[in-house]
Amino acid sequence: EVQLLESGGGLVQPGGSLRLSCAASGFTFSNYAMSWVRQAPGKGLEWVSTISGRGGGTYYADSVKGRFTISRDNSMNTLYLQMHSLRAEDTAVYYCAKTLGGLAAPDKYNWFDPWGQGTLVTVSS
Amino acid sequence: QSALTQPASVSGSPGQSITISCTGTSSDVGGYNYVSWYQQYPGKAPKVMIYEVSYRPSGVSNRFSGSKSGNTASLTISGLQAEDDADYYCSSYTSGSTLNVFGTGTKVTVL
Repeated sequence: EVQLLESGGGLVQPGGSLRLSCAASGFTFSNYAMSWVRQAPGKGLEWVSTISGRGGGTYYADSVKGRFTISRDNSMNTLYLQMHSLRAEDTAVYYCAKTLGGLAAPDKYNWFDPWGQGTLVTVSS
Repeated sequence: QSALTQPASVSGSPGQSITISCTGTSSDVGGYNYVSWYQQYPGKAPKVMIYEVSYRPSGVSNRFSGSKSGNTASLTISGLQAEDDADYYCSSYTSGSTLNVFGTGTKVTVL
């Protein structure tokens, strides 16, 4: 059974930093891209970032580019999201998700299955 | 990159069919057959219901179906059941500097 378990969320002051982790099990981690998707309280889903299976390709939403860094350790089956210069608008539940590409274009990462249970990040003074 | 446009709410009675629309542009929905749909219950993680416009993952009921015409994708739920009462989000691959964009979300209410 595929399992994804996020950790590292918490309360941080504006301008602060936080690192999220996502421990994966039940599949060959290095064979799959992984993503972070967030959801602000009472709001919709927002794609944040995706990293390819070997880590050579990284992609970011404009709202986090230059502040967040996605990475992975395939030897530890773990995905990370390093967040700097945090703002109030970054407050959200952050989900990690196994990410799949098109049947005919595997590098066009476009759907997410499954998702972890999420970890809450609150940016407030 | 702007969010894809979905109706805020859709409702139907048990047994009826409903359709949720997801409107984007030629840079996302209209440009690729990479639209997926997610179901989310309050306080829970989303679950994929449809990928690549019309494919159903293993274990998803065949009451859920997807389609696309031009810049608009659609999710149809037939034989509506009480358990379908949830939020639904579309997502699309997109060209440009970002990779994916989600829809604004639709609250489905089973009357």
